[in-house]
Amino acid sequence: GDSVTQMEGPVTLSEEACLTINCTYTATGYPSLFWYVQYPGEGLQLLLKATKADDKGSNKGFEATYRKETTSFHLEKGSVQVSDSAVYFCALSPNQAGTALIFGKGTTLSVSS
Amino acid sequence: DAGVIQSPRHEVTEMGQEVTLRCKPISGHNSLFWYRQTMMRGLELLIYFNNNVPIDDSGMPEDRFSAKMPNASFSTLKIQPSEPRDSAVYFCASSLASGTGGNQPQHFGDGTRLSIL
Repeated sequence: GDSVTQMEGPVTLSEEACLTINCTYTATGYPSLFWYVQYPGEGLQLLLKATKADDKGSNKGFEATYRKETTSFHLEKGSVQVSDSAVYFCALSPNQAGTALIFGKGTTLSVSS
Repeated sequence: DAGVIQSPRHEVTEMGQEVTLRCKPISGHNSLFWYRQTMMRGLELLIYFNNNVPIDDSGMPEDRFSAKMPNASFSTLKIQPSEPRDSAVYFCASSLASGTGGNQPQHFGDGTRLSIL
């Protein structure tokens, strides 16, 4: 079945460091891909998305490119801030209406000043 | 616009008691999802509904858990009787499932933090 694998954390960085969180997927067909972020005490929020191969999603300085050839959707940011400390989830939506998202296990990011 | 609204935000109760969690999805959304999040197991999908009909409840842990969606604007998740191992954060999410295939992103509520003593 479809699945998402993301790098295990925690990831600890200093402010202004570069961030990459790896995400790979297994799916039949052409899924949509998402990154969600969860700040402490809150629900998950959509960070960015891509719906077809070579699409680049971007938001708040974060980017991820849908790579069909490597079945990957890595999350990147050039310069992290303390406020980026959160848990990041990669997710896949099968290209079939009315189905549930498939989430990775989440990666905790801690950024220190 | 109002997001997904969950109540209560926090619930503390003794084991054996009935617990009811409530969710109001975003108006116009036709898919609703219940998740449970714990440190040990991460984020787990419990059940989801399309157009008020349960589609997949394979994630419901056992018969003590039940979920209903009587109309498009309200859903409940009930645990009876509750046990300490049910302690977790329970999230509700909603989305618009496109009839042409593919799904819009899910929008999450802030969750209910449940503690069973």
